Amino acid sequence: QQPVQSPQAVILREGEDAVINCSSSKALYSVHWYRQKHGEAPVFLMILLKGGEQKGHEKISASFNEKKQQSSLYLTASQLSYSGTYFCGTEGGNDYKLSFGAGTTVTVRA
Amino acid sequence: NAGVMQNPRHLVRRRGQEARLRCSPVKGHSHVYWYRQLPEEGLKFMVYLQKENIIDESGMPKERFSAEFPKEGPSILRIQQVVRGDSAAYFCASSPGTAGVRYEQYFGPGTRLTVT
Repeated sequence: QQPVQSPQAVILREGEDAVINCSSSKALYSVHWYRQKHGEAPVFLMILLKGGEQKGHEKISASFNEKKQQSSLYLTASQLSYSGTYFCGTEGGNDYKLSFGAGTTVTVRA
Repeated sequence: NAGVMQNPRHLVRRRGQEARLRCSPVKGHSHVYWYRQLPEEGLKFMVYLQKENIIDESGMPKERFSAEFPKEGPSILRIQQVVRGDSAAYFCASSPGTAGVRYEQYFGPGTRLTVT
């Protein structure tokens, strides 16, 4: 089942912060975050695994609340290059595939 | 290192024709995923393959669509008798590892299919 992302869109000025949320109705084993710029391929940002393990981008942080089946991606001191659509992908443990949310479009302005 | 390669990047087909989309995974990756993306929408899982095996095709329409990942050569997504609703971007992703999605997926640049 597709996870729900919020907000759908956010507009920031350079240097501002934002939080993108991803919620699932089922138990999760892992959450993946990707960013896609218009007309390009999605680019990997981060994986969060059940149990607390994380790996990914140095300048972007995320959290994973296993009990609430939620993940949040934190964009701190945003830069123009942060603009794009952010997708979370969730995996339920036995699926071996990702279900992606509808995306959150982030626009960072100078 | 070469990333995931997809070709063609753009494909135009008339209704009723066949479309063949190719994906070469990152060297050494044996797991391939295909996704479809409609404009302004998210990625929809279609099929997950390992070499010579279809692991999960639950996201693929039962008719007209097929996928393979042979022992040698690229993975192929085939759409027979295309209709206008098949117009979309099709992305292929590959990953290392032997346990599904505990590893990041590397996406190719996509094939944009237009059905006229």
